[in-house]
Amino acid sequence: EIVLTQSPATLSLSPGERATLSCRASQSVSTYLAWYQQKPGQAPRLLIYDASSRATGIPARFSGSGSGTDFTLTISSLEPEDFAVYFCQQRSNWPPGSFGQGTKLEIK
Amino acid sequence: EVQLLESGGALVQPGGSLRLSCAASGFTFSTYAMSWIRQAPGKGLEWVSSISASNGANTYYADSVKGRFTISRDNSKDTLYLQMNSLRAEDTAVYYCAKDRRYSISSGNFDYWGQGTLVTVSS
Repeated sequence: EIVLTQSPATLSLSPGERATLSCRASQSVSTYLAWYQQKPGQAPRLLIYDASSRATGIPARFSGSGSGTDFTLTISSLEPEDFAVYFCQQRSNWPPGSFGQGTKLEIK
Repeated sequence: EVQLLESGGALVQPGGSLRLSCAASGFTFSTYAMSWIRQAPGKGLEWVSSISASNGANTYYADSVKGRFTISRDNSKDTLYLQMNSLRAEDTAVYYCAKDRRYSISSGNFDYWGQGTLVTVSS
């Protein structure tokens, strides 16, 4: 089983600031890592796949990086609509793959 | 526009059964693998099951549901199903259906999700 650990659990920032979210895998997942955004009461939305590829329609302020066991989601300048929960997901051993426990990005 | 609409969630007693449906539109349903993913109240995401594109010959299950849940698809109706038997309290969750990102291949990335349907298992 590959465990994904996200940090921090909660990140408090203001609009316009830069957000950096981390996801660490218990063993190498190569670049088979994705990021999803979930707002309250809504379904998750795919942001990034294969570590650094933006999904269709995702703004350029979202970027992903990393390989192996350490990955980062960066939001270059926070917009009000970016405050949400972010999950990472690996598909190295798909199925089943696995999800991280989430990072809540809240307004400071 | 891709749309996925789940239905069938309900309150059910432990040991009971339920069938979830997911009606798809806005894409060629038969050419994409589909999955069910669940989220317990206040918790993270858990992959449940996937089915391959076309005739759905390949199905996959999380260990936690193997032998109790059955995934299927009806391409003539553009609908995905999840038959859930021997339900347990720990199956309580919002169940999402999700479309695979890649054409024809089960890649394990999900680019469109439904709004979810709530399954509550309680006496």
